[in-house]
Amino acid sequence: GAVVSQHPSRVICKSGTSVKIECRSLDFQATTMFWYRQFPKQSLMLMATSNEGSKATYEQGVEKDKFLINHASLTLSTLTVTSAHPEDSSFYICSARWATNEKLFFGSGTQLSVL
Amino acid sequence: AQTVTQSQPEMSVQEAETVTLSCTYDTSENNYYLFWYKQPPSRQMILVIRQEAYKQQNATENRFSVNFQKAAKSFSLKISDSQLGDTAMYFCAFYSGNTGKLIFGQGTTLQVKP
Repeated sequence: GAVVSQHPSRVICKSGTSVKIECRSLDFQATTMFWYRQFPKQSLMLMATSNEGSKATYEQGVEKDKFLINHASLTLSTLTVTSAHPEDSSFYICSARWATNEKLFFGSGTQLSVL
Repeated sequence: AQTVTQSQPEMSVQEAETVTLSCTYDTSENNYYLFWYKQPPSRQMILVIRQEAYKQQNATENRFSVNFQKAAKSFSLKISDSQLGDTAMYFCAFYSGNTGKLIFGQGTTLQVKP
């Protein structure tokens, strides 16, 4: 199956700093990437959808100025958590798909801890 | 908007036994897919099984099979001959062919006991 690489796997930062998470499709062109957030023992909540070369579309309740998403190429999307606060601590997972294919491929996730 | 509901937060099963995880969904769309994903302690999302809504035949993948009841909007997962490695959180998910989004249920934590 297709491979999606997500880095870093774990990051600890101080409150007020910004953190960037990368999501790369290694062996296919990801026309669309998705970013999810997961709290412990809870579901994956869709945060935003990004199409290559276009602005991301955010789900209701997700602050677009706090969670900056860039999808500048067909193999890379980044999520930047700006001015992170402890409540932003969570597990972030990216997923990617090719064209309108319904099968999504998931990254291994990033655990963000904001002190 | 679509919703996915998993009403069993936790379940347990003895090794080698069979267990069924429940899932219901709500949608007005006709073009959609349903999935079951497994999330082990590593937290990597693993696709277990996929069902096209337009197919009446239930999908099967080795020990995993689904009972897809389209009219009832029900999509349960049956795991046969449960193995210790099946211990994980299982998510039912709805893919909208209209929006291209994948929405997850709340998840069911499955514990397989030796």
